[in-house]
Amino acid sequence: LAKTTQPPSMEAYEGQEVNVSCSHTNIATSEYIYWYRQVPHQGPQFIIQGYKDYVVNEVASLFISADRKLSTLSLPWVSLRDAAVYYCIVTVNYNQGKLIFGQGTKLSIKP
Amino acid sequence: EAAVTQSPRSKVAVTGGKVTLSCHQTNNHDYMYWYRQDTGHGLRLIHYSYVADSTEKGDIPDGYKASRPSQENFSLILELASLSQTAVYFCASSGTENTLYFGAGTRLSVL
Repeated sequence: LAKTTQPPSMEAYEGQEVNVSCSHTNIATSEYIYWYRQVPHQGPQFIIQGYKDYVVNEVASLFISADRKLSTLSLPWVSLRDAAVYYCIVTVNYNQGKLIFGQGTKLSIKP
Repeated sequence: EAAVTQSPRSKVAVTGGKVTLSCHQTNNHDYMYWYRQDTGHGLRLIHYSYVADSTEKGDIPDGYKASRPSQENFSLILELASLSQTAVYFCASSGTENTLYFGAGTRLSVL
């Protein structure tokens, strides 16, 4: 399973667009990229997943570099509710859910 | 809405005592998981199950047992609780892909 590297923390103001990066230089061709987030006192919540190029849903967008070694989670118009720890996970699909959650990126939002 | 319910939400146990954490899901998912999270760290997989009456070891199974009596229910059992098992425990369920639905967690303190 590929190792991931994320910045430990980030800060943003409400209304800004936030981009959280994740480096996965050893990603295998069989691996996908997943993003989860965890707000205090709750379990992690799935945000988005992708394999290559660009993926978008109602919550976020995910850009994956052409060589797939870097991915960026983009959160448009963040609010105080987006303050959370964001986890980037790289693993094979249908991995029976055996996800490895690293340290993540703690996103703080200022009003 | 997918639902994973954990009980109790918090518990104080004595060293050497037996602790049972319960998890119930109404997602009709085959897979269920138990993770633990220590303060300021990511989640680590303890046990998981993909079918009733069967459980599998995760990454840190020592000191824990699991039971899956039905598709909906998955329990984590600490036969002899120890101080090092103080943590927040999360249960999750998923279908065949890596989209996990987590419960709100159980905060366990072993004294």
